Amino acid sequence: NAGVMQNPRHLVRRRGQEARLRCSPMKGHSHVYWYRQLPEEGLKFMVYLQKENIIDESGMPKERFSAEFPKEGPSILRIQQVVRGDSAAYFCASSQGQGNQPQHFGDGTRLSIL
Amino acid sequence: QQQVKQSPQSLIVQKGGISIINCAYENTAFDYFPWYQQFPGKGPALLIAIRPDVSEKKEGRFTISFNKSAKQFSLHIMDSQPGDSATYFCLSGGSNYKLTFGKGTLLTVNP
Repeated sequence: NAGVMQNPRHLVRRRGQEARLRCSPMKGHSHVYWYRQLPEEGLKFMVYLQKENIIDESGMPKERFSAEFPKEGPSILRIQQVVRGDSAAYFCASSQGQGNQPQHFGDGTRLSIL
Repeated sequence: QQQVKQSPQSLIVQKGGISIINCAYENTAFDYFPWYQQFPGKGPALLIAIRPDVSEKKEGRFTISFNKSAKQFSLHIMDSQPGDSATYFCLSGGSNYKLTFGKGTLLTVNP
């Protein structure tokens, strides 16, 4: 399967712990996007990255959230000191380029905070 | 930020019927209109996309109709099947890569 791979599919954390979500883009894709889907809501853009660069993080909360896309390895979305409100499905998408290039989504990581 | 209004919020169709979902946009600068399909527990999947220089695009049973003057576009699913039951999202975009999803349309196709 050459699609966007996300892991883990489900993640349970207690309040105050750290959550790390991983995303491997489709082969040949160098642009990665993270979205968050709260219950009963549509997906909301969080951050756009290219290799080793954060292009746009305007949709990401200023505190506790960070993202990276290193030269080697998957993109990581990191949430520190998680709170109940962080419970959501986090989706990663990738594309060959930006703008009108189609974004292909993974199946998401469902984060539950106890 | 893309602004798209989608209707209906939910739709129930009998097998073999036609499913129609409508969308209206505001920003005429947008030049890319994709539709995504999402099954429960899965990520959104690009279904079909259209650009405003085309009035209609068909892929199998799925057709997008585009009315640039009215700033509206719609998805028609012909011969709807139970396997088409999913949530459908219409989006609009341009050079902006920030896809904005609304709540979508929950389609249920009864056997």
